[in-house]
Amino acid sequence: AQKVTQAQTEISVVEKEDVTLDCVYETRDTTYYLFWYKQPPSGELVFLIRRNSFDEQNEISGRYSWNFQKSTSSFNFTITASQVVDSAVYFCVGGTSYGKLTFGQGTILTVHP
Amino acid sequence: ETGVTQSPTHLIKTRGQQVTLRCSSQSGHNTVSWYQQALGQGPQFIFQYYREEENGRGNFPPRFSGLQFPNYSSELNVNALELDDSALYLCASSGGYLADYEQYFGPGTRLTVT
Repeated sequence: AQKVTQAQTEISVVEKEDVTLDCVYETRDTTYYLFWYKQPPSGELVFLIRRNSFDEQNEISGRYSWNFQKSTSSFNFTITASQVVDSAVYFCVGGTSYGKLTFGQGTILTVHP
Repeated sequence: ETGVTQSPTHLIKTRGQQVTLRCSSQSGHNTVSWYQQALGQGPQFIFQYYREEENGRGNFPPRFSGLQFPNYSSELNVNALELDDSALYLCASSGGYLADYEQYFGPGTRLTVT
């Protein structure tokens, strides 16, 4: 069984601040995938990033960056220079090789102007 | 927009009734997954269909059933509705069942059971 734990229930920041969302993924699988999804108030889930378990290279994509450490099962996500439009619920998601996704409880991010 | 559509948008049913939710997958996608999202929670995997066959199921009772059609659209059926079935039901389509394929989510159907 897979388990996804998101450390923060809610985060509130002021625009232009950097914000990091923490996630721990527990699984017995040796091959797995990690994702971050965003759910704005409209409700539709939006894919942000994906990382597989055998690639620990950290990356930056625009204002998004992520840090995957297999030894601690952590997969943290950072938004640089946050904007009001970033306000949403962010889900850390673990996936098996066969596409079954397990979602965390979500972190509500509010960015104030 | 992802190209995944769901109908209806909202639905109100009475406990004990049956409901059918529909999902049209993105063009070229052969896999549809269904998720239940209770208020304030993360989505939970119900089941997945790949080329018209069920290809994995989460911890949901048999009264949750589904179908996938030759055009890869899909239905989720729930019998004997319970109050706890009130939730947002999301479908996601992908080009295959492996995790290499990104899942594109529809806007969801909000089901209220009274």
